[in-house]
Amino acid sequence: GENVEQHPSTLSVQEGDSAVIKCTYSDSASNYFPWYKQELGKGPQLIIDIRSNVGEKKDQRIAVTLNKTAKHFSLHITETQPEDSAVYFCAANFPSGSARQLTFGSGTQLTVLP
Amino acid sequence: EPEVTQTPSHQVTQMGQEVILRCVPISNHLYFYWYRQILGQKVEFLVSFYNNEISEKSEIFDDQFSVERPDGSNFTLKIRSTKLEDSAMYFCASSGTSGVGSGNTIYFGEGSWLTVV
Repeated sequence: GENVEQHPSTLSVQEGDSAVIKCTYSDSASNYFPWYKQELGKGPQLIIDIRSNVGEKKDQRIAVTLNKTAKHFSLHITETQPEDSAVYFCAANFPSGSARQLTFGSGTQLTVLP
Repeated sequence: EPEVTQTPSHQVTQMGQEVILRCVPISNHLYFYWYRQILGQKVEFLVSFYNNEISEKSEIFDDQFSVERPDGSNFTLKIRSTKLEDSAMYFCASSGTSGVGSGNTIYFGEGSWLTVV
């Protein structure tokens, strides 16, 4: 089945610096890659997603890049703020092209230090 | 903004008891899901539901689990004879007319924290 690997598991950055989280996936036919932010005790909140027909997508301070050949995608957060501190999960749809489920990475605990 | 709502937010139950977790998906969505997150671990897919039937389920979703859409708005997860290892946060989610990967994103509820003692 699909396997999604996420790195790093923890990341600390100074306020104002950039943060980068990377994920790889195993199923080359996956075509949808969302990123979720999860604050303590809450549900995952979609922050950005990308589909396989594009290589990059940006929304204000958040961007995602996708390399289909290498089967990896990354989340970039610029000008980090303390409120960005949370656990971030990447995901990929599985079975390949399926409408039905997401496979999640193991999460990255991001801490933005003031 | 439309959201997925879940009840209860937290439930404590005795081992062996039955539990029903309730969800109200986003009103115009057609695909419904349950995911589970054991404390400190990744979010895991349990089941998807479309057109009043299960469309896909994971290995976790065994005979102990069942889902139902009892009316036009609610979507429930029933866990029969709960075990200690069922303790987790259970997330309901929904997506639009064509599910994941075909133009629609999955939106998650805030979760129901189940503690089996």
